[in-house]
Amino acid sequence: EAQVTQNPRYLITVTGKKLTVTCSQNMNHEYMSWYRQDPGLGLRQIYYSMNVEVTDKGDVPEGYKVSRKEKRNFPLILESPSPNQTSLYFCASSPGLAGLGEQYFGPGTRLTVT
Amino acid sequence: DAKTTQPTSMDCAEGRAANLPCNHSTISGNEYVYWYRQIHSQGPQYIIHGLKNNETNEMASLIITEDRKSSTLILPHATLRDTAVYYCIVRPPLYNFNKFYFGSGTKLNVKP
Repeated sequence: EAQVTQNPRYLITVTGKKLTVTCSQNMNHEYMSWYRQDPGLGLRQIYYSMNVEVTDKGDVPEGYKVSRKEKRNFPLILESPSPNQTSLYFCASSPGLAGLGEQYFGPGTRLTVT
Repeated sequence: DAKTTQPTSMDCAEGRAANLPCNHSTISGNEYVYWYRQIHSQGPQYIIHGLKNNETNEMASLIITEDRKSSTLILPHATLRDTAVYYCIVRPPLYNFNKFYFGSGTKLNVKP
């Protein structure tokens, strides 16, 4: 089944404790992206990647890192999480520039930083 | 980048057609209109997209006005499972692909 998976689905952590949220897709998609969703602010893009080793900042990249060493994986790294990073996070993938608008989203990761 | 305007919420009776409007008056000639929906806190789901012709798929129909300044997503026979937030998005040009704005969307309430 074609899908985007994220792990963990729920995470409660403390300020400053490094964490990684994994994202994997099995559709051989070139484009991958991370979003966060907060009440009243909608979905905002954090980082995106056009292909392996090609990443760039979205609208709200501060406090996050990403890497794209393999086509299927696009982990989101929070080196020193803070309470304002408490949010619902979504990973998405897309076939590439031609199909950029048709993004496939993962189920989401609900992160709480205390 | 073209932005979109949608009503905050709409109600629809189960079994009836749901018509969700979107205004995108600043859209440029090479920008597509995309529709997604998000059921509760699940990941958004792609529905349909179009450039200037009307489009239909198994989920919905998309009607784009001739001047392309607005569009309407039509769910022909809404069910309770169609209750969701519906986002109208204008896809940016390829050179500005990172700015994929979801906006606030329209909360569609399908009622029995």
